Amino acid sequence: ETGVTQSPTHLIKTRGQQVTLRCSSQSGHNTVSWYQQALGQGPQFIFQYYREEENGRGNFPPRFSGLQFPNYSSELNVNALELDDSALYLCASSLALDATNTGELFFGEGSRLTVL
Amino acid sequence: GENVEQHPSTLSVQEGDSAVIKCTYSDSASNYFPWYKQELGKGPQLIIDIRSNVGEKKDQRIAVTLNKTAKHFSLHITETQPEDSAVYFCAAHTSGGSYIPTFGRGTSLIVHP
Repeated sequence: ETGVTQSPTHLIKTRGQQVTLRCSSQSGHNTVSWYQQALGQGPQFIFQYYREEENGRGNFPPRFSGLQFPNYSSELNVNALELDDSALYLCASSLALDATNTGELFFGEGSRLTVL
Repeated sequence: GENVEQHPSTLSVQEGDSAVIKCTYSDSASNYFPWYKQELGKGPQLIIDIRSNVGEKKDQRIAVTLNKTAKHFSLHITETQPEDSAVYFCAAHTSGGSYIPTFGRGTSLIVHP
């Protein structure tokens, strides 16, 4: 069983630039969620995708956008980068919550973004 | 929306001691409470969870208790070992389709040999 993989692991951007982060879900998982984790903080929910449709969104501006592909892999795009966007971005895959599973999140190791 | 408070932010114990981390939540509709362990440079990993229809759950050295009336839940680690050193996050989930937990701010547990 392949776990959740994210790329790139580290990247540095400057203010105003755009970034795309990628995530491959764990085999068999149809739901992917993205979280932003600032230093010393808990993960903050950005959005979730289920079967290629956005299934929930946290308190993040529209310049944070995403995609989920037919193979359930996903992208997080951030436009017009700001200094406060510097954080660890975590992708988590899961099965949709239903009577037979808890929807446990399986996290990748994250992409650390630094905005200068 | 849901608000999860977690205490303490840092916890330092000697190997073999017990460690307790406490969380409170605001939304009485929350019914699923997972705990995650995050080691340095890695993503969080689920270590134990509890549903609202039980008051306590145990898995070897770790246990979680839930008080729905008071809206708080706790993680208990007994006989701590240096490899337990990590950041621990509690979370609360409000049912209704999507699994979108709200996380606490984390507790950095340091176990001294």
